[in-house]
Amino acid sequence: AQTVTQSQPEMSVQEAETVTLSCTYDTSESDYYLFWYKQPPSRQMILVIRQEAYKQQNATENRFSVNFQKAAKSFSLKISDSQLGDAAMYFCAYRTSIIQGAQKLVFGQGTRLTINP
Amino acid sequence: NAGVMQNPRHLVRRRGQEARLRCSPMKGHSHVYWYRQLPEEGLKFMVYLQKENIIDESGMPKERFSAEFPKEGPSILRIQQVVRGDSAAYFCASSPPGGAEAFFGQGTRLTVV
Repeated sequence: AQTVTQSQPEMSVQEAETVTLSCTYDTSESDYYLFWYKQPPSRQMILVIRQEAYKQQNATENRFSVNFQKAAKSFSLKISDSQLGDAAMYFCAYRTSIIQGAQKLVFGQGTRLTINP
Repeated sequence: NAGVMQNPRHLVRRRGQEARLRCSPMKGHSHVYWYRQLPEEGLKFMVYLQKENIIDESGMPKERFSAEFPKEGPSILRIQQVVRGDSAAYFCASSPPGGAEAFFGQGTRLTVV
């Protein structure tokens, strides 16, 4: 079974600076998807960024980028120019690609990110 | 196109009562997933349904929990004879066939008193 581990329960960063959240996973599959979700106090799960395992290029969405190391099974999220609105819980998630259309996600425990003004 | 709609947002039940949580997927989405989030934890997969079919219920507790997604109407997660340990946030997500990602609702927070 796949597992996802986030080893940082809490992180904090000064506004406008850069922070990196860590995620490692375990799988025997060669093709899969990885995600970072943001959960603000409203509880809404918001997709931040997605990475397909077969793509070597790291995904980027504006101030958010990932460092995907497939051999090391590592998938870290970098937030540049941190803003107060980035404060939230961040969850790393894994999804198999074997079953077409199936969105069964395996989540990590989450990292609570605080932005200091 | 409205997002995934869950209701109620908050639900309080006494021990032994039944809880019914509803999820209306986004238009055009025929796949529904239910997840449970205990306090200070990540989301845990419960069940995956397509219209009128349960595809994967490997995360559902064996007793008291059931889910359905009828041909017409929302998906329902039903918890019978609730206990304090059922207190959690329950999230629904939906995706179209072959979709690359699932879209989440805002969740239902169930409190058992």
